[in-house]
Amino acid sequence: EVQLVESGGVVVQPGGSLRLSCAASGFTFDDYTMHWVRQAPGKGLEWVSLISWDGGSTYYADSVKGRFTISRDNSKNSLYLQMNSLRTEDTALYYCAKSSGVVITEGPFDYWGQGTLVTVSS
Amino acid sequence: EIVLTQSPATLSLSPGERATLSCRASQSVSSYLAWYQQKPGQAPRLLIYDASNRATGIPARFSGSGSGTDFTLTISSLEPEDFAVYYCQQRSNWPPRFTFGPGTKVDIK
Repeated sequence: EVQLVESGGVVVQPGGSLRLSCAASGFTFDDYTMHWVRQAPGKGLEWVSLISWDGGSTYYADSVKGRFTISRDNSKNSLYLQMNSLRTEDTALYYCAKSSGVVITEGPFDYWGQGTLVTVSS
Repeated sequence: EIVLTQSPATLSLSPGERATLSCRASQSVSSYLAWYQQKPGQAPRLLIYDASNRATGIPARFSGSGSGTDFTLTISSLEPEDFAVYYCQQRSNWPPRFTFGPGTKVDIK
């Protein structure tokens, strides 16, 4: 059974930093592109970032480019999101999601974690 | 940047009725469109990919159609568990980007 478990969400002040983690199991982690998607309270879904199977390619939404860094450790079956210079508008539930494909633009998101809540507030 | 528009914003129907949800793209996305269902307090669930393919385990009452800029998700006969928010999503190849529509809420009439 595929499982994605996010952690690391807390309350942080504007300008602060945070690192989210996603532990994956039930599939061959290093076969797939992985994503972070966020959802502000009561709002829709926003794609944040993706990383290729080997970590060699990363892409970001314009709203987080230059502030967030996605990474992965295939030896630990783990995905990460380093979030710097946090803003109040970054407040959201952050989901990690598995792509159904290897190619970075291939496939929809076929499995999602339950999310970890990041609150940016003074 | 491709923008997705979903209509209606809210669809009020009774169990057993047919639901028709629309997703329109600001420019052609070929058939690279997916649909997700999200219930309160839950993560999204993939329903349809590449416009018309049902994901694993998705009941046959869910179907998708369309290509280019106009897409439809149809639920042939609503079950109580189908009342939820539905999002469409597209992907673009370069630069790699994934965009979600604003969602359609299907609620009980």
